[in-house]
Amino acid sequence: SSELTQDPAVSVALGQTVRITCQGDSLRSYYASWYQQKPGQAPVLVVYGKNNRPSGIPDRFSGSSSGNTASLTITGAQAEDESDYYCTSRDSSDNSVVFGGGTKLTVL
Amino acid sequence: EVQLVESGGGLAQPGGSLRLSCAASGFTFSDHYMDWVRLAPGKGLEWVGRARNKANSYITEYAASVRGRFTISRDDSKNSLYLQMNSLKTEDTAVYYCVSELNYWHGSAYSPYFDYWGQGTLVTVSS
Repeated sequence: SSELTQDPAVSVALGQTVRITCQGDSLRSYYASWYQQKPGQAPVLVVYGKNNRPSGIPDRFSGSSSGNTASLTITGAQAEDESDYYCTSRDSSDNSVVFGGGTKLTVL
Repeated sequence: EVQLVESGGGLAQPGGSLRLSCAASGFTFSDHYMDWVRLAPGKGLEWVGRARNKANSYITEYAASVRGRFTISRDDSKNSLYLQMNSLKTEDTAVYYCVSELNYWHGSAYSPYFDYWGQGTLVTVSS
């Protein structure tokens, strides 16, 4: 089965731009989706497909993809963006879904 | 307003069974694939499995870690999703989320994404 690799932790200064990456062979064929999860809360979809945001998600969140790497960019990070972020994608070998290990974002 | 409300979590012994339910409202349940995703203590999110919609023959698919032990079913007349968990192991301890799935089509391929999540129900497997 496929694997998705994320950096365990990333930090960003308040108001600056941060990119969270997700690597895996399946991303050469399928788009990642990204989820924000705060402690004790359910995950929330923030980006999916080529670069789509659900209603209610601020436009400072954007997605991109190149080769085997998908990225979630937060332009002008806010204190409330401090959270765990997970990528997910379709497994390239079957119809299952694989999650990345998650990235803990700290806003300094 | 979309709501996914899980129930049925609790304490189970290793080798035991537990059945989770998810009540959905606020969207067309029958159109969606429905999934279970779990979050174990100190670990990341893990996909458990899905039940496709009627148009796709209600096909069920599972992660390798639960295949043969867990069974997902749905009742569109009740807007409900279920997860029957048998032969439970301590490593099944997690918060279990009921999730609705949509597909993003690009050319002839699709990439799944999870648009709505329940608040989760805690399953603890311990003797």
